[in-house]
Amino acid sequence: AQSVTQPDIHITVSEGASLELRCNYSYGATPYLFWYVQSPGQGLQLLLKYFSGDTLVQGIKGFEAEFKRSQSSFNLRKPSVHWSDAAEYFCAVHSGAGSYQLTFGKGTKLSVIP
Amino acid sequence: EAGVTQFPSHSVIEKGQTVTLRCDPISGHDNLYWYRRVMGKEIKFLLHFVKESKQDESGMPNNRFLAERTGGTYSTLKVQPAELEDSGVYFCASSHFSTENTEAFFGQGTRLTVV
Repeated sequence: AQSVTQPDIHITVSEGASLELRCNYSYGATPYLFWYVQSPGQGLQLLLKYFSGDTLVQGIKGFEAEFKRSQSSFNLRKPSVHWSDAAEYFCAVHSGAGSYQLTFGKGTKLSVIP
Repeated sequence: EAGVTQFPSHSVIEKGQTVTLRCDPISGHDNLYWYRRVMGKEIKFLLHFVKESKQDESGMPNNRFLAERTGGTYSTLKVQPAELEDSGVYFCASSHFSTENTEAFFGQGTRLTVV
């Protein structure tokens, strides 16, 4: 069965600093990968997704992620964090092949220091 | 266009009571999903409706949970009787298609606390 690991439960960065949130997945075939964000009081919002093609994908709010098959990773990055980015971030994998479930990581909570 | 709406946003009930959660998907979305996040753990899939039919209910934890989607519009998730371990945040999501490259839109969740 597929699994997703987000090794960092909580990360604190200063506003304006760069950010990288780690995500590793375990899945035999080519995965369909997603990053979602949940701001306080809000639902999960899709930041970006990877299905195939260019391994560097751009998302909303200035985020990007890079798929590295050799490392089974799909890390999320942002060059300069804004205070409004404080939220919880979830990496997820969709197995495809007739199964429409998303398997999520435990999430990484991001705090931003002014 | 309205997004996925869930009611209530919070619910506190006593062990043994019944609670019903409701999800209104985005209009026209045939696919509806329920997920649950128990505190400190991953968000986990519960089940998937296509219109009014249960496509996949492999994630339902036990028979105290009953999901319905009469008429293929809104869905309800009933927990009867509730146990302490049912506490968590219940998310609903909907999508137009059910292919793997389809985006699912999530609601804000219902936080259920069983005391």
